[in-house]
Amino acid sequence: EIVMTQSPATLSVSPGERATLSCRASQSVSSNLAWFQQKPGQAPRLLIYGASTRATGIPARFSGSGSGTEFTLTISSLQSEDFAVYYCQQYNNWPLTFGRGTKVEIK
Amino acid sequence: EVQLVESGGGLVQPGGSLRLSCAASGFTFSNYAMTWVRQAPGKGLEWVSSISGSGGSTYDADSVKGRFTISRDNSKNTLYLQMNSLRAEDTAVYYCAKNPPATRAGYYYYYMDVWGKGTTVTVSS
Repeated sequence: EIVMTQSPATLSVSPGERATLSCRASQSVSSNLAWFQQKPGQAPRLLIYGASTRATGIPARFSGSGSGTEFTLTISSLQSEDFAVYYCQQYNNWPLTFGRGTKVEIK
Repeated sequence: EVQLVESGGGLVQPGGSLRLSCAASGFTFSNYAMTWVRQAPGKGLEWVSSISGSGGSTYDADSVKGRFTISRDNSKNTLYLQMNSLRAEDTAVYYCAKNPPATRAGYYYYYMDVWGKGTTVTVSS
C-alpha cells in the first residue's frame, strides 16, 4: 500500500498570504495525484487532478505541482472561503490512498 | 447538473447488515466508474470500494474485503454498497463519488470528480 504523508498537519495563514501544502508518497505515483478541499459538514470537493490540472470551476489561485513522490498544493492568496482541510489522494495503484490532511486555519 | 444522492444509512448493531444506495443523475451513469469513500467521525478520508462502468470490475479495501460488496444497476442509475458483519469501526459518513470518464485508450483514472453529500452509518449496540 502506498502511504501518503501530508505536511504540515496544520497551517496558520493570514488572509491574502500564500499557503504551501506538501504531500509525499511512499513510492512513485507518477502524476496520478489529486487534491481535495473539505469544509466542516460538507463533502470533499476536487481541486486538482493529474498533479497539476485544475478541476472545472476551481479558481486560478489554486495550483498543483510535482510528480513521482513529491507534490505541492499552493494557494497564492488565501481568501476567507479557503480555510478548510485539504487532502491528497493517489490513484496510481490499488488500494487508493489518501493523506491524513492539512488543516488551513486563520492566523 | 451531475447529482449523487446517498441513502440507506442509519443505526445498526454490531454484526448487522445495511445496504447503501446512491442515486445518480445528470450524466450517462453506465459510462463512469463509481467509488465509495468513508470518513469516521473527526477523521480523514478512507477509500472503501470502486466499480467499473459495466460493473465487471470491482476493487475493495482490505478493511472491508469479504464483508462489503459494491454493485450497480445501470438501468436504475444507482450504485449500491451492501455492508455485512458490521463493526464499530465501520461507523462513518459514507460518500458516493463519480470517477472521471475513460481516456481514449480506454483507461480509467480513479480519482473522484463529483461527490454526494454522504449518508451516516452508526454501528453500536
